[in-house]
Amino acid sequence: EIVMTQSPATLSVSPGERATLSCRASQSVSSNLAWYQQKPGQAPRLLIYGASTRATGIPARFSGSGSGTEFTLTISSLQSEDFAVYYCHQYNNWPRTFGQGTKVEIK
Amino acid sequence: EVQLVESGGGLVQPGGSLRLSCAASGFTFSTYSMNWVRQAPGKGLEWLSYISRSSSTIYYADSVKGRFTISRDSAKNSLYLQMNSLRAEDTAVYYCARTTVTPGVDAFDIWGQGTMVTVSS
Repeated sequence: EIVMTQSPATLSVSPGERATLSCRASQSVSSNLAWYQQKPGQAPRLLIYGASTRATGIPARFSGSGSGTEFTLTISSLQSEDFAVYYCHQYNNWPRTFGQGTKVEIK
Repeated sequence: EVQLVESGGGLVQPGGSLRLSCAASGFTFSTYSMNWVRQAPGKGLEWLSYISRSSSTIYYADSVKGRFTISRDSAKNSLYLQMNSLRAEDTAVYYCARTTVTPGVDAFDIWGQGTMVTVSS
């Protein structure tokens, strides 16, 4: 099983600032990596797939990069609606696995 | 509107069974593979099971293999999860999630709102 490790567990950021979230895979997942946003009481929402492609309707301030074992999600200028938990997800191997999440909170 | 709506959750005793349903609407259900994902209270996401468009390919997480069974009925636009031998650690919100239609992109682009399963005596 591929273990996905996200860091940091919590990120405190002021509105308007840049946020950088990391995700590391225990073995290569190529570019088969997605990012999701989840707000309290809501289902996850797909942000990024293929490591760097924004899903439909996702604002340009969200960007993804990386391949192999190291991935990054960047939110260029945090808006109030971006404070949430973010999960990475590898779909290169079975079983599919998620990272444990990074909570982005207001500083 | 593209939508997935789960149902069937509730309180069940350890060792009991429950069948979850996921009703799909707003898209051609038969052309998408589907998944079940769960989230224990205050915890992260755990993928549970996958079923291909034709039901010919099915995968399970080790944590539920032999206890849970995924199935689908394209005539009813529905996905199911039969859960047997339930344990306290199965307590979670259960989501159904659609795999993207793009070949090679098995991300989950549509999620239901979830249904809560509580396993307790």
